[in-house]
Amino acid sequence: LAKTTQPISMDSYEGQEVNITCSHNNIATNDYITWYQQFPSQGPRFIIQGYKTKVTNEVASLFIPADRKSSTLSLPRVSLSDTAVYYCLVGDREYGNKLVFGAGTILRVKS
Amino acid sequence: EPEVTQTPSHQVTQMGQEVILRCVPISNHLYFYWYRQILGQKVEFLVSFYNNEISEKSEIFDDQFSVERPDGSNFTLKIRSTKLEDSAMYFCATSDRENEQYFGPGTRLTVT
Repeated sequence: LAKTTQPISMDSYEGQEVNITCSHNNIATNDYITWYQQFPSQGPRFIIQGYKTKVTNEVASLFIPADRKSSTLSLPRVSLSDTAVYYCLVGDREYGNKLVFGAGTILRVKS
Repeated sequence: EPEVTQTPSHQVTQMGQEVILRCVPISNHLYFYWYRQILGQKVEFLVSFYNNEISEKSEIFDDQFSVERPDGSNFTLKIRSTKLEDSAMYFCATSDRENEQYFGPGTRLTVT
């Protein structure tokens, strides 16, 4: 499994765009990049997944450069309720594979 | 939106007692998992389960742990003789074919 590195914590203000970058230098050809969000005392929640270029859904965008050695999760116009831990995971999507979580990035959104 | 449910939300037990944590998976999902998270630490994989048998387990999942799907709906994690260090949040998850995993709200296990 490719090792991932992401900032320990980030602070932002309501209404700002937040970009969290994850590096994964050893990503394999079959690997996808997936981001999960976890609120205190809750289970992780899938946010977005991508393989290359850009993926966008109703919650976030995921930017992946051509070399795929890093990725950036972009949260538009954050609110206080976006305060959470964000995890970057890299692995293939084979049905049934376990998820390996790192420490994640603690995002604190302030008013 | 379909969701995974878990019961109880909080379980307090004495060291050495057996506990059973229950999960109701999303109905059309076939892969089930248990993870745990000790307070302030990472989410850790325990076990995955498919077609009524364990697919993979971690080093944490020793002989004190077992899983089963007794009635085709509930998915359970049993800890036979709890230890203080088993105190944690236990999350059940299920996945679809893209391996997007859906987590339940968790059971907080406190061993005293």
